[in-house]
Amino acid sequence: AQTVTQSQPEMSVQEAETVTLSCTYDTSESDYYLFWYKQPPSRQMILVIRQEAYKQQNATENRFSVNFQKAAKSFSLKISDSQLGDAAMYFCAYRSAWENTGTASKLTFGTGTRLQVTL
Amino acid sequence: DGGITQSPKYLFRKEGQNVTLSCEQNLNHDAMYWYRQDPGQGLRLIYYSQIVNDFQKGDIAEGYSVSREKKESFPLTVTSAQKNPTAFYLCASSPTGVGNTIYFGEGSWLTVV
Repeated sequence: AQTVTQSQPEMSVQEAETVTLSCTYDTSESDYYLFWYKQPPSRQMILVIRQEAYKQQNATENRFSVNFQKAAKSFSLKISDSQLGDAAMYFCAYRSAWENTGTASKLTFGTGTRLQVTL
Repeated sequence: DGGITQSPKYLFRKEGQNVTLSCEQNLNHDAMYWYRQDPGQGLRLIYYSQIVNDFQKGDIAEGYSVSREKKESFPLTVTSAQKNPTAFYLCASSPTGVGNTIYFGEGSWLTVV
């Protein structure tokens, strides 16, 4: 079974600075997808960024980028030019590409990192 | 607007009662999911459905039941057999296909009193 570990329960960053959130995962599969979701105080889960494991290029979405290290099974999220609206819980998630087994229907989540943004 | 609508947002239940959480989507997604979130934890999968009239158990299905009679709707019933039902429940949907992004509703809080 796959597991996802987020070792930083809380992080803090000053407005306009850069912060990196860590995520590691354990899997024996070679093909899979990784996601970062943001959960603001409203509790709705919002997709931040998505990475396909077979692509070596790191995904980017505006101020958000990832550092995907497949051999190390590491998938960190970098937030540049942090804004007050970035304050939220951030969850790393794994999704298998093996659809026939039914496991591709499942997102496996880490326990989350709470990001505080200070003035 | 396209999206996933969950209702009610807050629900209180007496012990021993069943309660049903509603989830409706107008995104034309084939797949739908129910997740549970407890404090300090990530989300855990309860049930999922990849097509109408078919659904599968997730990791924590005991004490829950679902139906999928229409593509747009995937209600979750929390039965009296669920030992610790107080939690935040999130419904989600996605297009079929490997690796497609799963989109979430706004969630429902269930409290057992």
